[in-house]
Amino acid sequence: EAGVAQSPRYKIIEKRQSVAFWCNPISGHATLYWYQQILGQGPKLLIQFQNNGVVDDSQLPKDRFSAERLKGVDSTLKIQPAKLEDSAVYLCASSLSVSSYEQYFGPGTRLTVT
Amino acid sequence: QKEVEQNSGPLSVPEGAIASLNCTYSDRGSQSFFWYRQYSGKSPELIMSIYSNGDKEDGRFTAQLNKASQYVSLLIRDSQPSDSATYLCAVGDKIIFGKGTRLHILP
Repeated sequence: EAGVAQSPRYKIIEKRQSVAFWCNPISGHATLYWYQQILGQGPKLLIQFQNNGVVDDSQLPKDRFSAERLKGVDSTLKIQPAKLEDSAVYLCASSLSVSSYEQYFGPGTRLTVT
Repeated sequence: QKEVEQNSGPLSVPEGAIASLNCTYSDRGSQSFFWYRQYSGKSPELIMSIYSNGDKEDGRFTAQLNKASQYVSLLIRDSQPSDSATYLCAVGDKIIFGKGTRLHILP
């Protein structure tokens, strides 16, 4: 069974630029999560999708972050404009459903904002 | 504010000994508890889940849950150098992660 795929793996941008991350969950997993992990911290949930609907985006900085999962499979997370404090690893995870809390993570995208 | 607390470590344990990792949480209504292992530069990997009070064993790993004390722990028996990693405790259906405990297994 293929795992969660993410791209790119690394990205370096200047502040005020925009960036987008892509995630493809495990086949058949209805729930998809985006996390931000700052060095030395645990992952922080940004947004949770159930199929193509948003379940929780309470911690998403909506003035600069956006995410979509239009067909209920792949998802993109965008930052525009980026700030220095957005430097982090962005992790995508998936689970079978919103009531199945066991999550499987992709390799992550390491973002550096200079 | 719902919180999950872990000692950041590092916790150093001799090879072959038992490593004990602890986690406390603030939301008394939490029903789901997880331990993830994260190697440096890698993503978290689910190693244990526990939903009811008591112990749950899987190979060398045992998760222990005490909801009355709002406490969950992970025991690793016969610790190996390959167990050296950061262990993240995660709690709740809207999962909140602790900051993790760095574990070093000393050869």
